[in-house]
Amino acid sequence: DIQMTQSPSSLSASVGDRVTITCRASQGISNYLAWFQQKPGEAPKSLIYAASSLQIGVPSRFSGSESGTDFTLTISSLQPEDFATYYCQQSSSYPRTFGQGTKVEIK
Amino acid sequence: EVQLVESGGGLAQPGRSLRLSCTTFGFTFGDYAMSWFRQAPGKGLEWVGFIRRKTYGGTTEYAASVKGRFTISRDDSKSIAYLQMNSLKTEDTAVYFCCRELYSGTYYVDYWGQGTLVTVSS
Repeated sequence: DIQMTQSPSSLSASVGDRVTITCRASQGISNYLAWFQQKPGEAPKSLIYAASSLQIGVPSRFSGSESGTDFTLTISSLQPEDFATYYCQQSSSYPRTFGQGTKVEIK
Repeated sequence: EVQLVESGGGLAQPGRSLRLSCTTFGFTFGDYAMSWFRQAPGKGLEWVGFIRRKTYGGTTEYAASVKGRFTISRDDSKSIAYLQMNSLKTEDTAVYFCCRELYSGTYYVDYWGQGTLVTVSS
């Protein structure tokens, strides 16, 4: 199985900050990576697919990039509604696997 | 508006069965693959399985932890996906999410249902 290592596991940030979350795959997955946002008690929401393509309706402050087996989710200017847990997930092969999540908290 | 509504969750004893349904609205169900994910209490997300659209054979993939016990099926005439869960174990306790899959070189989830809680306990 492909292991996805996400970092950091948590971070504290202020409204307006630029936030970066990283996900590393244990082997090459091309650009077959997605990012999800989950707020407490809610279903996840899809943010990004194919490493850098925004899902419909996702604000442009969210962006994704890739460099080899390293993937990055960036929030350019953190908004109050962005405080949540973020997960990466590879879609390169079965079983699909997730990173352990990054909790973004208010500083 | 795309909507996915799960139902059928609840309390089941170990070794028993449950069937979850995912009723969909707002899109042509037969044009999409569908998948199931789960999240144990306080834990991260876990992929359960996937079913392709009938055009691609309607074939399925499963996580090793559920293979041989869980079965995903679809009824395109009713726009419903199912997750049949047999031989339930306490470690199957989780919120189960139904998802629609977008194809872009491979499959990605674009929409999630609200989830249904399955508790396996004696």
